[in-house]
Amino acid sequence: GDSVTQMEGPVTLSEEAFLTINCTYTATGYPSLFWYVQYPGEGLQLLLKATKADDKGSNKGFEATYRKETTSFHLEKGSVQVSDSAVYFCARGTSYDKVIFGPGTSLSVIP
Amino acid sequence: DAEITQSPRHKITETGRQVTLACHQTWNHNNMFWYRQDLGHGLRLIHYSYGVQDTNKGEVSDGYSVSRSNTEDLPLTLESAASSQTSVYFCASSEGPGQPQHFGDGTRLSIL
Repeated sequence: GDSVTQMEGPVTLSEEAFLTINCTYTATGYPSLFWYVQYPGEGLQLLLKATKADDKGSNKGFEATYRKETTSFHLEKGSVQVSDSAVYFCARGTSYDKVIFGPGTSLSVIP
Repeated sequence: DAEITQSPRHKITETGRQVTLACHQTWNHNNMFWYRQDLGHGLRLIHYSYGVQDTNKGEVSDGYSVSRSNTEDLPLTLESAASSQTSVYFCASSEGPGQPQHFGDGTRLSIL
């Protein structure tokens, strides 16, 4: 069935390091792709999205490009901050408006 | 600003009791969803609704029910609470297919 796979971590980085969180998906067709972020004690917030192949979503210094040929949507940030410490979820849409979430990747950024 | 609110934020109850978690959204979205989040399981869909009087079962619906009498609210009821239902519950809403879901801040439910 349809699924989303991402590295589970936890990932620990020093401040200003480069971040990559890998995400791949299975799907028929061209689903919308999302990255959500969850800070402690809060719900998920949409970080960025892409709706078609080669689209690049970006927000708050984070970027992800919709790669149809590799069915991937990797999240990147050039220089992480302590405030980026959170859990990141990759997700894909479905034709019935349900969203399939990956397991989440915990990121800790240390000063 | 539009928002989605859940109440209570925390609840402790006993096994066998009926529990209802509230979810209210002011986005005017037709689609609403309930998830539970547990370590090692990620987010799992419990029930969802595409509009008033419409409800559908998700992947972990046993022991839960929902009703949709208006656009804004989708309360989740645990008919007879079990310790396995201790979890963090999230409500979400969306505009339609391909659109992102908006989440509430969650309810942490402990069943003793």
